[in-house]
Amino acid sequence: TQLLEQSPQFLSIQEGENLTVYCNSSSVFSSLQWYRQEPGEGPVLLVTVVTGGEVKKLKRLTFQFGDARKDSSLHITAAQTGDTGLYLCAGVRGNTPLVFGKGTRLSVIA
Amino acid sequence: DSGVTQTPKHLITATGQRVTLRCSPRSGDLSVYWYQQSLDQGLQFLIQYYNGEERAKGNILERFSAQQFPDLHSELNLSSLELGDSALYFCASSVQTGAKAEQYFGPGTRLTVT
Repeated sequence: TQLLEQSPQFLSIQEGENLTVYCNSSSVFSSLQWYRQEPGEGPVLLVTVVTGGEVKKLKRLTFQFGDARKDSSLHITAAQTGDTGLYLCAGVRGNTPLVFGKGTRLSVIA
Repeated sequence: DSGVTQTPKHLITATGQRVTLRCSPRSGDLSVYWYQQSLDQGLQFLIQYYNGEERAKGNILERFSAQQFPDLHSELNLSSLELGDSALYFCASSVQTGAKAEQYFGPGTRLTVT
């Protein structure tokens, strides 16, 4: 059983469209991280959300941590081809190692 | 460029063989983490070292072992390889230990077992 479920698994959209991907769990996390991984590269940390209900913006990317700290979403406005990649969420619980979801593979087509 | 280096980038070997993957952390980082990434399991934590000592263990098979050397580079040894061990292996490093520490990932080693 996956502790963090990410949906959708795959997403293919046209450039300029908006999208939201989700990261859900039945467990509470002290914080949640979002990474983007491009082909042939390792994951790169985009943001860490810590407080329930927190919203963080990174240019066209908006990250939200659920009030109960069990889920998170990533919204991309006006997607660009450069946004293509695998988006991973990772949960922090106490001092245990990071737990990763399986990711959402996003393809933005010109 | 994260500053974490991994060698080799690709490795093709046969079942039953033994391989060693190498990782050099970012300058100043004391923690090294190893992960395995496969299509069906996603990114799985294997093991963490902090300043030469094992700090945390995840889903690491008994056929796998790791160590961190005095110069802080780390090696992951995989033995009696099976087809199912084919995956991407990532190393990450951080200044501190603990799950909240920001981890920087290397480019990975793609292992193919035939």
